[in-house]
Amino acid sequence: SQQGEEDPQALSIQEGENATMNCSYKTSINNLQWYRQNSGRGLVHLILIRSNEREKHSGRLRVTLDTSKKSSSLLITASRAADTASYFCATPLHSSGNTPLVFGKGTRLSVIA
Amino acid sequence: IAGITQAPTSQILAAGRRMTLRCTQDMRHNAMYWYRQDLGLGLRLIHYSNTAGTTGKGEVPDGYSVSRANTDDFPLTLASAVPSQTSVYFCASSKRGDTDTQYFGPGTRLTVL
Repeated sequence: SQQGEEDPQALSIQEGENATMNCSYKTSINNLQWYRQNSGRGLVHLILIRSNEREKHSGRLRVTLDTSKKSSSLLITASRAADTASYFCATPLHSSGNTPLVFGKGTRLSVIA
Repeated sequence: IAGITQAPTSQILAAGRRMTLRCTQDMRHNAMYWYRQDLGLGLRLIHYSNTAGTTGKGEVPDGYSVSRANTDDFPLTLASAVPSQTSVYFCASSKRGDTDTQYFGPGTRLTVL
């Protein structure tokens, strides 16, 4: 089964509002990544947060990681119509070694202009 | 242009036929991956390869095979296609494994009738 699960499945907001998406995972990890997918396209990497980090910023993105709760959140501030996409969290398939990522089912974000 | 290419872009296939989806990257990445994406199920890992000459099974490997004869190419073969293999297939690559960004191809839309 998939390691990460995003919540909510879908989110609709007005332009300028903040969007928050959550990810829960099952096993211990050394990092967690967030990706974005525009309709009909491949995924694009947004940000990586390591297990010893609690918060990380990149432009309008803010990611938090709580390893005790096995959860992460992605916050997009001052959203724009162009942020409309699906967002996925990804965690390592295995706990150690050279391991691929496993993706959650994603959150579909719609930003209405 | 550096990146990952996939071929074909889309394909309609009769059940029982053999099909190979092609994936080529020119970034000299060690690791490569195949995912399928189905509505409501997100991305699921089919097979992966950490380096040329090695492959591993992901979440949903049954009915698929891969080979990694060199660094650049990672073909995915459906030996005898079934309708449940109708999906969008994405190839991805990364320098190494879980702590590296994955770069995705544009996808192949496969319909098995």
